Amino acid sequence: DSGVTQTPKHLITATGQRVTLRCSPRSGDLSVYWYQQSLDQGLQFLIQYYNGEERAKGNILERFSAQQFPDLHSELNLSSLELGDSALYFCASSVDAGGANTEAFFGQGTRLTVV
Amino acid sequence: LAKTTQPISMDSYEGQEVNITCSHNNIATNDYITWYQQFPSQGPRFIIQGYKTKVTNEVASLFIPADRKSSTLSLPRVSLSDTAVYYCLVGGLSGANSKLTFGKGITLSVRP
Repeated sequence: DSGVTQTPKHLITATGQRVTLRCSPRSGDLSVYWYQQSLDQGLQFLIQYYNGEERAKGNILERFSAQQFPDLHSELNLSSLELGDSALYFCASSVDAGGANTEAFFGQGTRLTVV
Repeated sequence: LAKTTQPISMDSYEGQEVNITCSHNNIATNDYITWYQQFPSQGPRFIIQGYKTKVTNEVASLFIPADRKSSTLSLPRVSLSDTAVYYCLVGGLSGANSKLTFGKGITLSVRP
């Protein structure tokens, strides 16, 4: 158990809908990272928050947004869903803001299926 | 951001020592080298991290030559449960452009 909790574990929704994925980082970790993993794209970095502030942005679509709350949990919002958004979404956390020797801890992921 | 290159896949047999290499020709002075393991439908798991020479922990060893342009993850006496994707990452975290970037990884298949 990495200490990172993601909910829900599975989510099935229809195209055009909006969903929210939740992540609780390890106790004491200030950074949260979101990743998308699909069969043909591998692990794609989406966005990072550190202590409530956006720290880095990767290949995140405009239809997607995220935030980190004062209690440090994070939510990833996916809207106007398309079939191609079906993937595993992982959250990771680290104690620091992300440095050369950061060790990140990953949750078990949320499997999103868009039908 | 230093880019890594790994073979796509490799096969091994139970009980063998497995050495997985990673090339990172553009590694920066302050970059560390980190390896993660991922099982199907699970999140990646940290295995080992090093800066130079050799690092060993309870599950693996990491060998880094003096020029640091490559690294080798060594798994002693693999078992079927070591079948997974292994990712090599270098640095990539600094200031406003910080992010953890995973490459394609290498799929290790351990056979009986």
